[in-house]
Amino acid sequence: KNQVEQSPQSLIILEGKNCTLQCNYTVSPFSNLRWYKQDTGRGPVSLTIMTFSENTKSNGRYTATLDADTKQSSLHITASQLSDSASYICVVSDRGSTLGRLYFGRGTQLTVWP
Amino acid sequence: EADIYQTPRYLVIGTGKKITLECSQTMGHDKMYWYQQDPGMELHLIHYSYGVNSTEKGDLSSESTVSRIRTEHFPLTLESARPSHTSQYLCASSEDGENGYEQYFGPGTRLTVT
Repeated sequence: KNQVEQSPQSLIILEGKNCTLQCNYTVSPFSNLRWYKQDTGRGPVSLTIMTFSENTKSNGRYTATLDADTKQSSLHITASQLSDSASYICVVSDRGSTLGRLYFGRGTQLTVWP
Repeated sequence: EADIYQTPRYLVIGTGKKITLECSQTMGHDKMYWYQQDPGMELHLIHYSYGVNSTEKGDLSSESTVSRIRTEHFPLTLESARPSHTSQYLCASSEDGENGYEQYFGPGTRLTVT
């Protein structure tokens, strides 16, 4: 069964600190892995997309890594800001479907305190 | 920010009422999607469309229906709302093509059925 598991479920950090969110997946075949940021009451917004051949990708203070062999990804947030408070969702796409089938994790709820 | 819009943003309605959730995008995307998301849970695909006059049911069974008469418009209708329909509904669109194309999400409609 294709699944995407994220940890931790929730995380509280102080402003200015770094943090790392984890994503493990069993989706096969694999096309790409995405990290989305979802603010409360809003739709998800894409942070990064990585294909099989990419190990790391950055978007400002966000850096995502991918280990396709172990089927693990992480999202590292540097120098956190209050606006980083959101749910971070790991999404994996399989290449077996022309629809571009996406498998969603439940997200990690990050809270940044001043 | 993606040019995809949803109305209303919030809706509280009584049991048995008919409702239509609107979704429009100005990016000319052929593919559009409806997702359902409960708090703290992953997104579930309930409907999708490859283009005009194309609609398909997603992974999660839903009593809602959709139509795609125009490329930019993908409304979702519930003929008789029930409390079990209370949820957040997210609309998304993507470019036509192979897996890996970005999905752009609208802000969502939070539906409460009393």
